[in-house]
Amino acid sequence: DAGVTQSPTHLIKTRGQQVTLRCSPKSGHDTVSWYQQALGQGPQFIFQYYEEEERQRGNFPDRFSGHQFPNYSSELNVNALLLGDSALYLCASSLGDWGTNYGYTFGSGTRLTVV
Amino acid sequence: KQEVTQIPAALSVPEGENLVLNCSFTDSAIYNLQWFRQDPGKGLTSLLLIQSSQREQTSGRLNASLDKSSGRSTLYIAASQPGDSATYLCAVSNAGNMLTFGGGTRLMVKP
Repeated sequence: DAGVTQSPTHLIKTRGQQVTLRCSPKSGHDTVSWYQQALGQGPQFIFQYYEEEERQRGNFPDRFSGHQFPNYSSELNVNALLLGDSALYLCASSLGDWGTNYGYTFGSGTRLTVV
Repeated sequence: KQEVTQIPAALSVPEGENLVLNCSFTDSAIYNLQWFRQDPGKGLTSLLLIQSSQREQTSGRLNASLDKSSGRSTLYIAASQPGDSATYLCAVSNAGNMLTFGGGTRLMVKP
């Protein structure tokens, strides 16, 4: 049973560029959340997608956007990259509202470096 | 706004010691609390999930307790091993299905 899959694992981009990160949820899960983890800190919630809509959003600018596809996979897009966007981006999946009951499963993350 | 704090930020112990990691949160209206392990540069591995109605959960050498009214949780690791070296993160879930994380405790277990 595949867990959460993220791609790519590592990425280097230049300031001002745009980037797309991808996530496939665990089999049977339909909800995808994205988190940003700066070096030495805990993850920060970016947003959550359910039924192809953004259900909740953290304190991140509009440069961060996302999408969920009918097969429940998701993309995170970041425009006009800043040096401060360098971080590990984590995807977590859960089943509907049951993340509160059964917890969340995280992927291995995408390490984004902005130069 | 929920805030989660973990103490200590770093911990170094000799192999075999029993140890306690602490997590506190400001808003007691949580649905659950989850402890994760993170190896350097890697994703998060779920260790234990405690529902708000529960007091503790156990898995092998790990035991996590929850005191919701006081906003505290502890993760107890028995007979620590070098393979336990990692960062341990606690996270709470409030209404809205998002997780709020603490800053983590970096654990080093020396052989």
